[in-house]
Amino acid sequence: QSALTQPASVSGSPGQSITISCTGTSSDVGSYNLVSWYQQHPGKAPKLMIYEVNKWPSGVSNRFSGSKSGNTAALTISGLQAEDEADYYCCSYAGSSTYVFGTGTKVTVL
Amino acid sequence: EAQLVESGGGLVKPGGSLRLSCAASGFTFSNAWMSWVRQAPGKGLEWVGRIKSKSDGGTTDYAAPVKGRFTISRDDSKNTLYLQMNSLRTEDTAVYYCTITRPGGFDVWGQGTMVTVSS
Repeated sequence: QSALTQPASVSGSPGQSITISCTGTSSDVGSYNLVSWYQQHPGKAPKLMIYEVNKWPSGVSNRFSGSKSGNTAALTISGLQAEDEADYYCCSYAGSSTYVFGTGTKVTVL
Repeated sequence: EAQLVESGGGLVKPGGSLRLSCAASGFTFSNAWMSWVRQAPGKGLEWVGRIKSKSDGGTTDYAAPVKGRFTISRDDSKNTLYLQMNSLRTEDTAVYYCTITRPGGFDVWGQGTMVTVSS
């Protein structure tokens, strides 16, 4: 099972919107609405930001939104803030009771 | 508030074994599906495996790189999740996290425990 493909880095200025893509295959992202997104600050554990493509866990800002089209999912961060600077990972159910993570994207707030 | 605390990490030689534990509190552990996820130094996240609740069969599933070497188990009486790692390889070096597995996402994460496989 290959990792989902994400851009290595994305940057934006405070207040701007950025989008991180997550490309899989018809066996994972394309087959299931079970894509989730995680934020990880340096030295910290990951934090669930979006689940089931576009749902928010309790306490997560609605500045984060998720979507999916075909084999590609996306995370959009609106109104970019300094504290959004972190690594972001997508994850998809891949069938046969397995999961696959994305390669990770470093978000830089300029 | 749900909380997970991993322990048991350390330095082990290639071919050796190690058992990690994950102590759970603040939620009904026996009803939860649980997973282990690892992160090699400077690398991305990798799903290791998952165990269902006993009421859902208690079955386990593993990622290909660890299948046959790693075993996930649980003791609901102690609210504790385990990861038994055998035949360890240098590429198993990573921070290991336990997580609550919900439909469509890994909800709560522990702080992680470091495993280093080196001679």
